[in-house]
Amino acid sequence: DIQMTQSPSSVSASVGDRVTITCRASQGISSWLAWYQQKPGKAPTLLIYAASTLQSGVPSRFSGSGFGTDFTLTISSLQPEDFATYFCQQTNSFPRTFGQGTKVDIK
Amino acid sequence: QVQLQQWGAGLLKPSETLSLTCAVYGGSFSAYSWSWIRQSPGKGLEWIGEIHHGGSSNYNPSLQSRVTISLDTSKNQFSLNLRSVTAADTAVYFCAGSLAGTTHSWGQGILVTVSS
Repeated sequence: DIQMTQSPSSVSASVGDRVTITCRASQGISSWLAWYQQKPGKAPTLLIYAASTLQSGVPSRFSGSGFGTDFTLTISSLQPEDFATYFCQQTNSFPRTFGQGTKVDIK
Repeated sequence: QVQLQQWGAGLLKPSETLSLTCAVYGGSFSAYSWSWIRQSPGKGLEWIGEIHHGGSSNYNPSLQSRVTISLDTSKNQFSLNLRSVTAADTAVYFCAGSLAGTTHSWGQGILVTVSS
């Protein structure tokens, strides 16, 4: 199985801050990576796929980058509705695996 | 984008079989792969498996001996059976639809508790 390691596990930030979350795969996955946002009690929602492609309807303050084993999710200017937990997922091979999540909370 | 609605028993005893069903509304049922994902506090998000429209399936090796995912194309539904459950299977279970491996649509989630 491919292990996905996210860092940090949590980050405290203020509205307007730039936030960067990293995800590292235990082996190369090309661009087969997705990012999801999850709010308490809700299902995750897709933000980015193919490492850097923004899902339709997702604000442009979200961006993704990376290739191979190292990936980042960046929120350029944090908004109140962005306080949530973020997960990466590799879609390169079976079984699909997720990172452990990064909780973004209010400083 | 498809909408997913899932249902099934939320309380099971050890050794019973977990059975959940997910109905798909809108979009093209045949374009997606259909999967089940669970989430527990101790293990985060865990991919259980998926089935493709042609009927082929892939399962997480950690659960493969106990899992079956099936399709009912006449009803645009798919189902999960997980046999011989234990307390470790307590989790929120999500059904989901994927395109090229990426999960684009999620069901609302069901909490399944295994307790004697």
